[in-house]
Amino acid sequence: RKEVEQDPGPFNVPEGATVAFNCTYSNSASQSFFWYRQDCRKEPKLLMSVYSSGNEDGRFTAQLNRASQYISLLIRDSKLSDSATYLCVVRNSGNTPLVFGKGTRLSVIA
Amino acid sequence: GAGVSQTPSNKVTEKGKYVELRCDPISGHTALYWYRQSLGQGPEFLIYFQGTGAADDSGLPNDRFFAVRPEGSVSTLKIQRTERGDSAVYLCASSLPGNEQYFGPGTRLTVT
Repeated sequence: RKEVEQDPGPFNVPEGATVAFNCTYSNSASQSFFWYRQDCRKEPKLLMSVYSSGNEDGRFTAQLNRASQYISLLIRDSKLSDSATYLCVVRNSGNTPLVFGKGTRLSVIA
Repeated sequence: GAGVSQTPSNKVTEKGKYVELRCDPISGHTALYWYRQSLGQGPEFLIYFQGTGAADDSGLPNDRFFAVRPEGSVSTLKIQRTERGDSAVYLCASSLPGNEQYFGPGTRLTVT
């Protein structure tokens, strides 16, 4: 079993739609949680960190449930520019390497 | 300021050859990470340096892979006797301790 598992994709949604991505992680000792965005043939870039209390950044809302080892990302009012692969990422402590999920591809269609 | 840079951006090599991939981290970043991303997969950890020393090399797939960071800045990932299965994008990231990792654009390695 992979340490970080994500919804299979791709997700094809119309502009303006709300889309949710889910992710589970297997290591209960994981301490830090993130969503990264990766555009085609580009490097991953941090979209947002995920906190236990949940956090929002504009149209993006991230939630963490430590008891269920579950992370989610909600995108409201999807834009064409949101089309990318979204990677769920965990980190076990401090300087340790990032552990990535396989990624879920989102295509927002006009 | 300058981000993480990686050279070459693309490398095509024949099976059995030796390759070196270079990473220039952000100035002042003491932590440096190498990841490998195969098509349709997320990046997978290879090796992590803190300063000049490899703090964790548990992700290196076998002894054909080796990395160095002799002066605590630039790092080189070395692959001996390349195999077709080594074809992937090799990503480098750097950070201050415990902070966000910034990724370079990657080196796309194709082994024919």
